[in-house]
This record gives sequence, C-alpha cells and structure tokens, in this order.
Amino acid sequence: GQNIDQPTEMTATEGAIVQINCTYQTSGFNGLFWYQQHAGEAPTFLSYNVLDGLEEKGRFSSFLSRSKGYSYLLLKELQMKDSASYLCAAFYNTDKLIFGTGTRLQVFP
Amino acid sequence: DAGITQSPRHKVTETGTPVTLRCHQTENHRYMYWYRQDPGHGLRLIHYSYGVKDTDKGEVSDGYSVSRSKTEDFLLTLESATSSQTSVYFCAISDPGRAGETQYFGPGTRLLVL
Repeated sequence: GQNIDQPTEMTATEGAIVQINCTYQTSGFNGLFWYQQHAGEAPTFLSYNVLDGLEEKGRFSSFLSRSKGYSYLLLKELQMKDSASYLCAAFYNTDKLIFGTGTRLQVFP
Repeated sequence: DAGITQSPRHKVTETGTPVTLRCHQTENHRYMYWYRQDPGHGLRLIHYSYGVKDTDKGEVSDGYSVSRSKTEDFLLTLESATSSQTSVYFCAISDPGRAGETQYFGPGTRLLVL
C-alpha cells in the first residue's frame, strides 16, 4: 500500500508556530502536496515539493526528505483563519495522488 | 480559480435510483478526476480521465461509472445508489497536458442516499 500518515488533530494559539508532520511510503514516490481545506469547502493548493529541502511561501513553509519519506508543513504567525484541515498527499509513478486523512488544526485566541 | 463547477451541489436520493454528477471545466485541462471524501478516509480516487473518452479506475471505483465525451465535461454516474455512497464528491483537474501537476478541486457535491 501507499499509506500516508499524519496526526488527526492539533491545537495552537494565535501568533504561534505549528508544524504538521506527514510520512509516506517512498517506493515509486514522485512528489508531495499540501492542501488546506476549511470546513464545508474544497481543498485548496498550498505547496508541492519534489526535491529535498524547505520551500517557503509567506507564512507557510513545506519541507521534504525523500530518503526518510517525511514531510512537514510549517505555519508561522498563526491566525484564526488558519483553523482548517491540512491534507498531505503523495504523488506516485502510478499517476495517482494518495491523500492522508488530514490534520484538523484549531487555532485559539 | 481553475474554472471548475460541479452540479448539483446538493442532492438527496433514494437507494436504488440512478444519480449523475457533472463536473464542468472551462480551461481545457486534459486530466479530470472524481474523488469522494468521507470522515476517517480522506480523499479517495474513484475514476479519472486523461482525455476525451479515455478513462481509468481509481481506488474505489466499484458502483461508479464515468464518461467524458467532451473535454470540458466529466460525468460520474451511480447506476443504483446505495447508502454507502453517501459522501461528498469532489471533481479535480490538473494543469494542462501533464499528469502529476497540481490538482485543483471543484466546490464539491454533497450526496445523501436514503
């Protein structure tokens, strides 16, 4: 299988930093996506990592280690509007995108 | 905005009835996908299309069929709906011509099968 593992829920305080981890199986792996999904809405694209390392995009950064089958999404200066589910998805050479079950992040004042 | 619409946005139907969901895109993307999203399972691929009349099965294709007679439309049909098909269905497209590029999602269809 191509299981994607990420924590089910996380909580954090407004203004803080939170890191959401994701592990995946490395066989046939091509790249790693992160999506944000607010309740009742569609997933929206956040980042795509193909190479090892950190990619920064404003308050959000995403990291990939291909050899370890590991990624994380880093959210800085948390805002209330960041309360959402964050979906990790791995793209494999089967042309399929495999999603984790998502991490529900709650940001408190 | 990737120019994706889904219809209907909400539907309630009875077990055993046929249901067709439509995904429409306006930007000539080659690849289109149908996913379902259920609590505890995340998004799971039902079927996808890589061109007009070119489709293939995903992870959870049993009980579903698809058709793509035009580039802009991808239809998902439940031939005989069951309660286990109650779910939120998302259509997605990927950037022109190349599988593996970012997938962008439509607004979703909430289906309740009674």
